[in-house]
Amino acid sequence: AQSVTQLDSHVSVSEGTPVLLRCNYSSSYSPSLFWYVQHPNKGLQLLLKYTSAATLVKGINGFEAEFKKSETSFHLTKPSAHMSDAAEYFCVVSPNQAGTALIFGKGTTLSVSS
Amino acid sequence: NAGVTQTPKFRVLKTGQSMTLLCAQDMNHEYMYWYRQDPGMGLRLIHYSVGEGTTAKGEVPDGYNVSRLKKQNFLLGLESAAPSQTSVYFCASRKHSSSGNTGELFFGEGSRLTVL
Repeated sequence: AQSVTQLDSHVSVSEGTPVLLRCNYSSSYSPSLFWYVQHPNKGLQLLLKYTSAATLVKGINGFEAEFKKSETSFHLTKPSAHMSDAAEYFCVVSPNQAGTALIFGKGTTLSVSS
Repeated sequence: NAGVTQTPKFRVLKTGQSMTLLCAQDMNHEYMYWYRQDPGMGLRLIHYSVGEGTTAKGEVPDGYNVSRLKKQNFLLGLESAAPSQTSVYFCASRKHSSSGNTGELFFGEGSRLTVL
């Protein structure tokens, strides 16, 4: 069975401090993993994806994530938060089996204070 | 560059009314999906399609029907709307990959449905 757990429903940081959004997954197949961001009243935008190449993946807007198979984790990080990073973030797992659907975590709301 | 387009963007229904949400994509993607988003629940898959003329149930299919008569369109229908179907609905599409399920999803802007 496949599942994804975002360990924090809400994370608050100050502008200029590091961001860590945690995600653990479970998959019967070697998965692809994604992080999406959703700003208020908008659709979802891809931040980055892991597809069994490099385990450290760099995305847009300074975000990166590291795939750790031994820990079944795919945590999202950014060295220095910006006010514009305030949004909801979704970790997504895609079992590498043709025809199956992606599975979303419940989301983490990131708040950034000045 | 239209990408994925959803219509309508907003709709208010009375309980028992029917309606159809239309999703259109211009990227020639094989896979299309309908999700609903509710506070604290993330996105939950309603139905999906892996190709023209095929559909499959997702996690929360009850009360919804879908059709994929043309590759570029994926319709979501509510035959008899209920207040529990008040939600934001997102359509997404993805290109088929022969190497597995590695392609990213492309999302529409969402359709906000309220059922009174």
